Amino acid sequence: DAGVTQSPTHLIKTRGQQVTLRCSPKSGHDTVSWYQQALGQGPQFIFQYYEEEERQRGNFPDRFSGHQFPNYSSELNVNALLLGDSALYLCASSPGLGPSNEQFFGPGTRLTVL
Amino acid sequence: AQSVSQHNHHVILSEAASLELGCNYSYGGTVNLFWYVQYPGQHLQLLLKYFSGDPLVKGIKGFEAEFIKSKFSFNLRKPSVQWSDTAEYFCAVRSNAGNMLTFGGGTRLMVKP
Repeated sequence: DAGVTQSPTHLIKTRGQQVTLRCSPKSGHDTVSWYQQALGQGPQFIFQYYEEEERQRGNFPDRFSGHQFPNYSSELNVNALLLGDSALYLCASSPGLGPSNEQFFGPGTRLTVL
Repeated sequence: AQSVSQHNHHVILSEAASLELGCNYSYGGTVNLFWYVQYPGQHLQLLLKYFSGDPLVKGIKGFEAEFIKSKFSFNLRKPSVQWSDTAEYFCAVRSNAGNMLTFGGGTRLMVKP
């Protein structure tokens, strides 16, 4: 049973560019959440998708947007990249929105903005 | 808004020493509490969780945590650490009002053989 997978593993971009990160949830999971983990810090919640809609959003600007597809996979898009966007981006999936549902994390995509 | 504070950023222990990592949260309502671990080169894994009931919860690999509601704390403990416990540990909170996890800043544990 494949867990949460993310692509690419590493990415290098320059300021002002746009980036798309991808996530495939664990089998049987329909809810995807995205987190940003800056170096030396804990993950910060970006947003969550369920039934192809953004259900909850953290304190991130509109430059961060997402999408969920009918097969439950998800994309995170970041426009007009800033140096401060350099971080590990984590995807987590869970079986539904219920608060008792455990979130399973992927290995992350490390984004470096030069 | 909820927040999580982990007091120790770096901890160095010798094998067989006892471990206690502090975690305090701020949120006035009902919360679910978690400890996650990130081993070197691996992704975040759930160690243990508290939803309700017995405030002393046991997780994998001999870890346990105690929820003390009056102190807004959820400290992680292990009686005897091993070299393989070297990792970064994150405390997280989720309110019943939403599904987002709020993480603390993490504690990097190094266990010397």
